Amino acid sequence: GNSVTQMEGPVTLSEEAFLTINCTYTATGYPSLFWYVQYPGEGLQLLLKATKADDKGSNKGFEATYRKETTSFHLEKGSVQVSDSAVYFCALSVYLYNQGGKLIFGQGTELSVKP
Amino acid sequence: DGGITQSPKYLFRKEGQNVTLSCEQNLNHDAMYWYRQDPGQGLRLIYYSQIVNDFQKGDIAEGYSVSREKKESFPLTVTSAQKNPTAFYLCASSIEVGGSNQPQHFGDGTRLSIL
Repeated sequence: GNSVTQMEGPVTLSEEAFLTINCTYTATGYPSLFWYVQYPGEGLQLLLKATKADDKGSNKGFEATYRKETTSFHLEKGSVQVSDSAVYFCALSVYLYNQGGKLIFGQGTELSVKP
Repeated sequence: DGGITQSPKYLFRKEGQNVTLSCEQNLNHDAMYWYRQDPGQGLRLIYYSQIVNDFQKGDIAEGYSVSREKKESFPLTVTSAQKNPTAFYLCASSIEVGGSNQPQHFGDGTRLSIL
């Protein structure tokens, strides 16, 4: 079946540290991959996406590369800020008959950045 | 500005009561979704609608019902049959063109609690 596995949190970093949040997936077919971010008490916001192998998604200093050979989509940022503190969700989307582009989420990784 | 509006932000349900969560979008998206989020977990799909007057059950539809009478609106009713309704409910929408590479856009959620 289709599934997403993320590294467990919480992840605590100091400001300006390097961030990696691991994400691996299993999927039938050719999924699209997404990272979403959720700030406290809010809904999810799309952070970046990649739709095919070797694509790199990037936004606000965050990057992730679609690695088909390792079935991974790790999120990275070179220098985190306190404002990056949030929960990050990795997700994949496959087209299923009668369910359209269904999103399957990992369990989320909480990031806390200290000044 | 285009977006998704969920209301109310907080909702309380008494035992044996049905409650309805509102979701409205002005993005002209065809597809709409309802997710449930429990603490420390990813999102689970409750119901999904590709077009007006059509919807399908997701992974955890028992105890919930929906309608899609207008393109802009996709209300979710949490019935008394849902024995553990306390959760954060998120509505989302996407352009549905038969593929899986379009991201979903989320509302800010409704937090439902039992009185």
